[in-house]
Amino acid sequence: DNMMTQSPDSLAVSLGERATINCKSSQSVLYSSNNKNYLGWYHQKPGQPPKLLIYWASTRDSGVPDRFSGSGSETDFTLTISGLQAEDVGLYYCQQYYSAPVTFGGGTKVEIK
Amino acid sequence: QMQLVQSGPEVKKPGTSVKVSCQTSGYTFIESLVHWVRQARGQPLEWIGWIVVGGDSAKYAQKFQGRVTITRDMSTSTAYMELSSLDSEDTAMYYCAAERTGSRSKGGAFDAWGQGTMVTVSS
Repeated sequence: DNMMTQSPDSLAVSLGERATINCKSSQSVLYSSNNKNYLGWYHQKPGQPPKLLIYWASTRDSGVPDRFSGSGSETDFTLTISGLQAEDVGLYYCQQYYSAPVTFGGGTKVEIK
Repeated sequence: QMQLVQSGPEVKKPGTSVKVSCQTSGYTFIESLVHWVRQARGQPLEWIGWIVVGGDSAKYAQKFQGRVTITRDMSTSTAYMELSSLDSEDTAMYYCAAERTGSRSKGGAFDAWGQGTMVTVSS
């Protein structure tokens, strides 16, 4: 199985400041034939299901604010929130869907400092 | 827009089975996969398996092999997940999630999620 490791486990950021979350996969998720990374990011607010933010490592889903950005390739990825807003608190998960079983990172809890 | 509506909470005895439904709307059901994911309290997301709706084929995480069955009903655009031989470690929120294929594909990312079904296993 492709293990996904996120860091940090939690972080507290002031409103308007930058939050950075890292995700490392144990195997590459880059599909060479189309040069796409099969990596997604999700945001889960308390008491709600996760919501897709980013797919193919760097493509924002429809309606996702541009303060969210994803980067990285092969095994190392980053989610950046540029200018944290109050509604951004919650858990963030990376997910690889390059190979079965689909696997998720352990999650990063984002709070307001 | 895409909507997935799951059945209500369940309380089960150890050793029994539970079947959770996921009614979909707002997209082309046959051009999708439906995944099932669970989340125990304070724990990360755990993938259980998927069904390729158009092909009616399912794949399961090894951990659940032999104990889970995922099916779908094309007439009602509904997917089901049945988990047997329940024990207390199966107590969790269970989610369905849709992955669109074809021209709307995002490569495997989950486009939309159900609201979750809480399954509690207790004697």
